Amino acid sequence: KAGVTQTPRYLIKTRGQQVTLSCSPISGHRSVSWYQQTPGQGLQFLFEYFSETQRNKGNFPGRFSGRQFSNSRSEMNVSTLELGDSALYLCASSLPGPKNTGELFFGEGSRLTVL
Amino acid sequence: AQSVTQLDSQVPVFEEAPVELRCNYSSSVSVYLFWYVQYPNQGLQLLLKYLSGSTLVKGINGFEAEFNKSQTSFHLRKPSVHISDTAEYFCAVSGLRGNDYKLSFGAGTTVTVRA
Repeated sequence: KAGVTQTPRYLIKTRGQQVTLSCSPISGHRSVSWYQQTPGQGLQFLFEYFSETQRNKGNFPGRFSGRQFSNSRSEMNVSTLELGDSALYLCASSLPGPKNTGELFFGEGSRLTVL
Repeated sequence: AQSVTQLDSQVPVFEEAPVELRCNYSSSVSVYLFWYVQYPNQGLQLLLKYLSGSTLVKGINGFEAEFNKSQTSFHLRKPSVHISDTAEYFCAVSGLRGNDYKLSFGAGTTVTVRA
C-alpha cells in the first residue's frame, strides 16, 4: 500500500509569489490534514479536510488555503509569500470512522524556502 | 480538550547509553497515546502507540514506552542508542472531539547521539 505522497519535495520562491503544494493520501483514507513545521514554532496545525469539506482550521491568516478533491487528494495554497512562510509543510492522512484512533500517517513533506 | 508536555527539549546522549524521553498529558477523557520520530528532512514516522491492554508498549527500532494512567505519563525509553537514533521525537495524545479522535502534539524532543 503506497504511503502519503507530497509534491514537490523542495521548492524555492520569492516574496510576493504564491505556491501550491499537493498531497495524495493513502488509498482509502478520506481525511487529510496539513501542518507547518518551523524550528521556532514546531508543528502547527493548518487545516483538515474530509469529503471535500474543511472540518477544522488552525490559527493562520487567510493567505493559507486548501481544498480537497473527490478522490481525497488535497492541495494547499499560500499566496503573497512572506519570508516567515519558509517551512516544512507536512500532509497527513487518516481513516475516520469506527476504527479511527486519531493516528496520522505522514508524507515526507514539502520544504518551502522563500527568498 | 487534551494537551501534551514533553519535559525535555534537547537530550544529548552517548552511543550505547540508555535514553528516556518524558511525556505528560492532560485530558478529561480516555485517550490514545503515540510516539512519532522525525529524521532530518523527513516526515513523521510512527514509533509506537498505546490503544489499550498492556501498559508497556514495544515499538520499532528497540524503543518502548510505558503508559501510566495515575501519573498521566507516557515516557519513551531505549536501553542502548545508536548514532542513527539522532532525530526529533514527538509525543502525541488523541482524544475524542465531536465524532472523531484528534491528535495533539507535544513540542518535540531533539535527541543527539554522540560517539
